[in-house]
Order: sequence, then C-alpha cells, then structure tokens
Amino acid sequence: KQEVTQIPAALSVPEGENLVLNCSFTDSAIYNLQWFRQDPGKGLTSLLLIQSSQREQTSGRLNASLDKSSGRSTLYIAASQPGDSATYLCAVTPNDYKLSFGAGTTVTVRA
Amino acid sequence: NAGVMQNPRHLVRRRGQEARLRCSPMKGHSHVYWYRQLPEEGLKFMVYLQKENIIDESGMPKERFSAEFPKEGPSILRIQQVVRGDSAAYFCASSPSDRVSIDTQYFGPGTRLTVL
Repeated sequence: KQEVTQIPAALSVPEGENLVLNCSFTDSAIYNLQWFRQDPGKGLTSLLLIQSSQREQTSGRLNASLDKSSGRSTLYIAASQPGDSATYLCAVTPNDYKLSFGAGTTVTVRA
Repeated sequence: NAGVMQNPRHLVRRRGQEARLRCSPMKGHSHVYWYRQLPEEGLKFMVYLQKENIIDESGMPKERFSAEFPKEGPSILRIQQVVRGDSAAYFCASSPSDRVSIDTQYFGPGTRLTVL
C-alpha cells in the first residue's frame, strides 16, 4: 500500500526566504508525482507534474525534483512571498487512477 | 473552458439526514473521481465513475455511501443517515481518460460537509 509523507507539517518563514518542502513515498512504482496548492476553503491547484522518467520540473519560482528510486520529491519555492502562504500537497499516481496524497505542508510567509 | 464544478460548496446536515453532493466535470471529460479529506489528513480516494458505470468503489464505505454518474447531468455522491464522522471536505476530479501516464486529474473546489 502506497504511503505518502510530507515533512514538515507546517512551516513559517520571513518574506524573501527560500522554501523547501519534502515528500516521501513508499512504493517507487509510480507514473508521476504532482505538487498541488490548496488555499483555505478552496480547491486544489496543480503546480507541477513530474513524470516518472523525469528528474525535475520548473515553473517560474517553483522547482520540483524527483528521485523515484529513493521515493523522494522536493519542492523549492524561491524568494517566498506572502501570497505563497497555503497548504502544499504532494500526490503520487501509482499504476492506476487512485492518486495517493500526503497530508500536506502548511506554509506561512511573514511580511 | 469552465473547470470542475461542485455544489454546494458548504453543506450542513444534522445526524441522520441525507447529504447529496454534486459534481459537474470539465467539458469533454467522462471520467469522474471522488476523494474525501478528513481534518488533518490527506485526500483519500473513494470512487471512480464513468458515464452510467461505477468502475471502482473500493475506497467508499460499504454502508450509507453511494455514487452515480448518469448519462445526463452531474455526478452525485450520496451519504445517507449522516454521522459526525462524515464531516469532511469532499473533492471531485475529472479527466478525459484513465490513462494516468498521460492525463492528469483536474480538481473541483470541494464541498465541505458539516454534520451537527
């Protein structure tokens, strides 16, 4: 059974600092890994999707790496802004359609 | 192209009542997935439907919960005789196919169910 763990559960940083969010998963047989952003009371916004054959993906200030063999992914957010405050979810797609989610890391960026 | 739509956004029910949650997938998407997010937990898969068919309901509680995706209209997640433990956020996602290697799932804003 796939288990996805996100550490830390919460993170508070001053504006401008870089953010590092970690995700680990127990079963390396995955098609892809996604990072989502969830704002309070809102839905999920897909930030980055990394296919299993890829090592990283970049979008603006966001960069996500994937080490499938060790079951780890890291999301880097450069030069954080207060608008980056949200919960970030990691999800892996195993051999079928059932996405497995971590519990998330709640980020607070202090102005 | 409108995204996945869910209604209501917030639903309050008393114990023993029925809850009906609706999901309209993105245009052109015929695959619908329901997930539940309990407080302080990650989203958990509940059920996967295609038009008029339940493909996989392995994540759905055996009793009181049912789902449908009729030929016309939205997908419905129905919870009968709700209990306090049903309080959660219920998310719907849709995709154009079940080819997970190619197509991602697009999520709706969720329905937050509170059982008093």
